[in-house]
Amino acid sequence: GAVVSQHPSRVICKSGTSVKIECRSLDFQATTMFWYRQFPKKSLMLMATSNEGSKATYEQGVEKDKFLINHASLTLSTLTVTSAHPEDSSFYICSAGQGLWNSPLHFGNGTRLTVT
Amino acid sequence: AQTVTQSQPEMSVQEAETVTLSCTYDTSESDYYLFWYKQPPSRQMILVIRQEAYKQQNATENRFSVNFQKAAKSFSLKISDSQLGDAAMYFCAYRTKSNTGNQFYFGTGTSLTVIP
Repeated sequence: GAVVSQHPSRVICKSGTSVKIECRSLDFQATTMFWYRQFPKKSLMLMATSNEGSKATYEQGVEKDKFLINHASLTLSTLTVTSAHPEDSSFYICSAGQGLWNSPLHFGNGTRLTVT
Repeated sequence: AQTVTQSQPEMSVQEAETVTLSCTYDTSESDYYLFWYKQPPSRQMILVIRQEAYKQQNATENRFSVNFQKAAKSFSLKISDSQLGDAAMYFCAYRTKSNTGNQFYFGTGTSLTVIP
């Protein structure tokens, strides 16, 4: 089955530093990947849609300068949290579909970000 | 915009018994896809079952089945012979077929506890 790998699974960083999270589709090409943020015991909140070879589409209220998304290839999207603050601490999950509208999303294992 | 509602924040079921999780959605589209995802404590999102809107027959995957009522915009998940490993957060999701987006809409989730 389709596999999405997300790395790192956990990261702790200091306020003011930047953190990069990678999302890879291992056995399929993903022209579109999605980045979600999830608070404890809450649903997934879509942050942005990552489009291969073009700019990401951000949801309302998500700062594009703070959450930089790059989708340079058909198998890799990265999310960089710039100048991280404690309020950015959260669980971030990426997902990718196989292009067909009726195909499910395949999710990475998520990244637990803690900003101290 | 499409909305997905899960009215049961928490549910519990006795091991080996049957439980039904409810989901309703709001849409003006006629073609779409519905999914149930499971998120165990590991936080990995796992696809449980999916349903195509134009198919009247309810989807079934082993112990998991859905009751899809298109007119009522209802998509409930039935888990039969519940097992301890079924304990997780369950998210109902709607996928639009619209060309303007490729987005999934998630419900707020239902936390399922399985009692031994």
